[in-house]
Amino acid sequence: QVQLQESGPGLVKPSETLSLTCAVSGGSISSANWWSWVRQPPGKGLEWIGEIFVGGRTNYNPSLASRVTISLDMSKNQFSLRLTSVTTADTAVYYCARHLAVPGTRGFDVWGQGTTVTVS
Amino acid sequence: EIVLTQSPGTLSLSPGERATLSCRASQTVSINYLAWYQQRPGQAPRLLTYGASSRATGIPDRFSVSGSGTDFTLTISRLEPEDFAVYYCQQYGSSPRYTFGQGTQLEIK
Repeated sequence: QVQLQESGPGLVKPSETLSLTCAVSGGSISSANWWSWVRQPPGKGLEWIGEIFVGGRTNYNPSLASRVTISLDMSKNQFSLRLTSVTTADTAVYYCARHLAVPGTRGFDVWGQGTTVTVS
Repeated sequence: EIVLTQSPGTLSLSPGERATLSCRASQTVSINYLAWYQQRPGQAPRLLTYGASSRATGIPDRFSVSGSGTDFTLTISRLEPEDFAVYYCQQYGSSPRYTFGQGTQLEIK
């Protein structure tokens, strides 16, 4: 079955750019139409960052939209997150997730294990 | 933005008991666009339910959902030791397209 694996630097300096990649294995990235990034600050809840359609269309959380770019590379079966001008408030576990392919419903049915990013 | 408020913040119960977790939305949400997740310590969230009555693959039938409009409930009929975790509701709607509740911690009494 499809598995997701996040990768990227665990430590980013303030004002720099956070870049993460989510590798899709066990199936094609076209197994779903939409893919998302979600983050979780230490000891806190979940925050949706944004999503990308396999055709390239994106939607972002307005609270992060000015700093976020999500892209997808079908040839590499992966999608990526770029967050610019990071601050300590961006310290979190970052998850990538696959959207359900059930028409008329919503939810994220496959998640990566998460990667911890510390801004310091 | 649709805000989801979960209650209680912490629920203390014993194995075998019934758990009732609430998720209240600041605006009407279609139950078709509501999902519930379980998160155990150190793990990624796991999809439990989606839509009006669907359980994700491998989720036992002791998990059920109900509700409409702005009030939704996740019920766990008989708690097993592995059910003690944090639970989140999530909605799909207007901008931002997805929001989560703040979570309910289900702990062993």
